Amino acid sequence: DGGITQSPKYLFRKEGQNVTLSCEQNLNHDAMYWYRQDPGQGLRLIYYSQIVNDFQKGDIAEGYSVSREKKESFPLTVTSAQKNPTAFYLCASSMQGGKNIQYFGAGTRLSVL
Amino acid sequence: RKEVEQDPGPFNVPEGATVAFNCTYSNSASQSFFWYRQDCRKEPKLLMSVYSSGNEDGRFTAQLNRASQYISLLIRDSKLSDSATYLCVVGDYQGGKLIFGQGTELSVKP
Repeated sequence: DGGITQSPKYLFRKEGQNVTLSCEQNLNHDAMYWYRQDPGQGLRLIYYSQIVNDFQKGDIAEGYSVSREKKESFPLTVTSAQKNPTAFYLCASSMQGGKNIQYFGAGTRLSVL
Repeated sequence: RKEVEQDPGPFNVPEGATVAFNCTYSNSASQSFFWYRQDCRKEPKLLMSVYSSGNEDGRFTAQLNRASQYISLLIRDSKLSDSATYLCVVGDYQGGKLIFGQGTELSVKP
């Protein structure tokens, strides 16, 4: 089955800890994206990548880092510098950036212990 | 001004009602337009693309007015299963990303 897989579904972070959220796609999509959604709020773009080994900051990149070493994978690290990390994190991919439909993974819910 | 603005909602309607959602966007150079649906605690899923001539998919009709930078979604004969948040989405072609509106919540009651 083609799709986008995010793991884990639920994640708990201790104070001062870095955690990494996984996002893998087998759709052969060039572009991948990370969004954050807070309760009752819209999606906010954290980082995006239109090609392997290249990525751009979105609207709320502070406290996060990403890598794009493989076309299929776009992991997001929530660093200890992100003081309010509790949110629903969504990964998406598309054929190309900007004009094409984005398909989403099922998301990761991150909470702070 | 937000890049994509939607009716704040929530919309509470009875089954069988017709409901319309409105959306405006600020970038006149935008090239692609979509409506996504998001169920509670789930990921957004594409409902339909929006074309310049307007398009229909069953009970759903989407319209685009480029001159007014306005997009709409009409749902006829609402079902309980239509209850969700509807996201207006505009493609930022030059920036290489989609811009999501805040969403409008719809609750269809028996």
